[in-house]
Amino acid sequence: ELKVEQNPLFLSMQEGKNYTIYCNYSTTSDRLYWYRQDPGKSLESLFVLLSNGAVKQEGRLMASLDTKARLSTLHITAAVHDLSATYFCAVFITQGGSEKLVFGKGMKLTVNP
Amino acid sequence: DVKVTQSSRYLVKRTGEKVFLECVQDMDHENMFWYRQDPGLGLRLIYFSYDVKMKEKGDIPEGYSVSREKKERFSLILESASTNQTSMYLCASSLDLSYGYTFGSGTRLTVV
Repeated sequence: ELKVEQNPLFLSMQEGKNYTIYCNYSTTSDRLYWYRQDPGKSLESLFVLLSNGAVKQEGRLMASLDTKARLSTLHITAAVHDLSATYFCAVFITQGGSEKLVFGKGMKLTVNP
Repeated sequence: DVKVTQSSRYLVKRTGEKVFLECVQDMDHENMFWYRQDPGLGLRLIYFSYDVKMKEKGDIPEGYSVSREKKERFSLILESASTNQTSMYLCASSLDLSYGYTFGSGTRLTVV
């Protein structure tokens, strides 16, 4: 069974600080997705990583994918309060001829002034 | 932008009722998905569909069924609602998984 593990699950950090969060998965995949969810809202796509070594950046967030290590990182630079949200990674798999995404449990980020 | 619309933001239903959750997308996507989201458990796939009249079970299909009579609409049915089906339900669609999913705004269902 595929496992997608996010680490940490909860993070409280100060504004202006940097931090890296991790997404590990247990099966071969070359596609990984990051989503953001604000409280009471739905999921919004942040990054689509489609190959080994892929790196994408948007504002203060940068995501990368290492398919050999089965690891994706989401790096936060100089955090601001607006980044407070829950972040999900999702891994693309093919199972029984079907294609789907399997999600991690999400990491709740709180950025304090 | 693709729009995925879930007909209700909040629903309260009684135990034993048959419940329909509707999802409509406006971009001719072939792939549609239903997830439920619970604290500490993340998103779990209930059912998905790659085409009209086609459906496949996800990881937790028990107690649910789906209907896809038209390409744009994917309905989740709780045959006899139970309190353990109280959850946030998220619908998603995708043209091609290379682009990931577009999610609807979610339906928070409470079964009393």
